[in-house]
Amino acid sequence: QQQVKQSPQSLIVQKGGISIINCAYENTAFDYFPWYQQFPGKGPALLIAIRPDVSEKKEGRFTISFNKSAKQFSLHIMDSQPGDSATYFCAALGGFKTIFGAGTRLFVKA
Amino acid sequence: DTAVSQTPKYLVTQMGNDKSIKCEQNLGHDTMYWYKQDSKKFLKIMFSYNNKELIINETVPNRFSPKSPDKAHLNLHINSLELGDSAVYFCASSQTIRGNTEAFFGQGTRLTVV
Repeated sequence: QQQVKQSPQSLIVQKGGISIINCAYENTAFDYFPWYQQFPGKGPALLIAIRPDVSEKKEGRFTISFNKSAKQFSLHIMDSQPGDSATYFCAALGGFKTIFGAGTRLFVKA
Repeated sequence: DTAVSQTPKYLVTQMGNDKSIKCEQNLGHDTMYWYKQDSKKFLKIMFSYNNKELIINETVPNRFSPKSPDKAHLNLHINSLELGDSAVYFCASSQTIRGNTEAFFGQGTRLTVV
């Protein structure tokens, strides 16, 4: 049962463009929403995270937008760079569990 | 210092063998996890332990047996390995008391069953 739906599966963006990845969750018991970045051969690494009482969080070029009523959240990567090419996972935490979306493979063209 | 470390990084073994993966975290977290990442990169939780107690077992076959000797360690033993067990296994930890926090992951163990 997939409790966190992520889209798109893959994304190609020009250098300098904006990358947008969307996620939707079902369980209202989730209370923490991190995004992870994973490079080949490495474990997922925390990028940025948000709690549901906040509608937006920005850290450098990365912004999370959160819509609690719609149970949706998204990651925006501004000024995307080739070094951002990786797989991105949204996640939702609750009840000793982190549930991940299926992942988005981002490729930033130089 | 590595926050979450797991060994070995690579494991190649024959079908039917028994193998173990070890994990240690030095973050002082109270919860540890095992995740399985398949060839399509999907991350699926297998087990969750809080202060050495099993909290979550996500319908994982009995051949997989986690053991937590203390809250800083969570090992995974796999009996009678099958071809379908080939995947990357990630250990992770987080702090869950006084509010959930994000999980920190180890570098992964790539298990190949031949």
